[in-house]
Amino acid sequence: QLQLRESVPGLLQPSETLSLTCTVSGVSVSSRSHCWGWIRQPPGKGLDFIATVCHDGTVFYSRSLQSRASILLDTSKNQVSLTLNSVTGADTSTYYCVSVLDDDGYFHFDNWGQGSPLTVSS
Amino acid sequence: QPVLTQSSSASASLGSSVKLTCTLSRGHSKYIVSWHQQQPGKAPRFLMRVENNGDYTKGGGIPDRFSGSSFGADRYLIISDLHLDDEAEYYCETWDSNTWVFGGGTKVTVL
Repeated sequence: QLQLRESVPGLLQPSETLSLTCTVSGVSVSSRSHCWGWIRQPPGKGLDFIATVCHDGTVFYSRSLQSRASILLDTSKNQVSLTLNSVTGADTSTYYCVSVLDDDGYFHFDNWGQGSPLTVSS
Repeated sequence: QPVLTQSSSASASLGSSVKLTCTLSRGHSKYIVSWHQQQPGKAPRFLMRVENNGDYTKGGGIPDRFSGSSFGADRYLIISDLHLDDEAEYYCETWDSNTWVFGGGTKVTVL
């Protein structure tokens, strides 16, 4: 059974760098069936796509975050990581790790991690 | 990129049915849409994908009470025999070759 577990620092100060890690179990991150990604949800608001990365190294970023974000696969640890530079209060959100199923050429989020909250505050 | 429009709220009585709508923006009416449920305080979970011909494919463990359909640019999520734990936020989502887009979500209240 595919499971996703996020590791999020919890609290950062403005201008710091956010480093997120998602440990995947049940499927290899090298699998051709899935890509892997991050989505966030500000308090009381909707869902926002951040980034995805696939087994072949293909990456996709949200247009609004691509200048600050970097997503990587670590196949040795079966993990997906995301860094987000120069955080501000607007980055305060719950961050979700997701698996992205390649469903006959249509990619959609098919599994979600439990989510971890991040607060950016001085 | 496509825009997905959802009503902000819907309500229906326990045991009845509710039909949620996700409308694709102009020029994107043939897109596949996925639906996700987010119960209060929990992570979202994938419910199903709905194609423009009305075919739908559910995720593992999703009850038969949940179904999908389509008409034009609209993709529907139908919940029959409403249970109390169907009270949740429901988001539609689509993929456009290099990005993913979510609708604003519909909050379903079970009366």
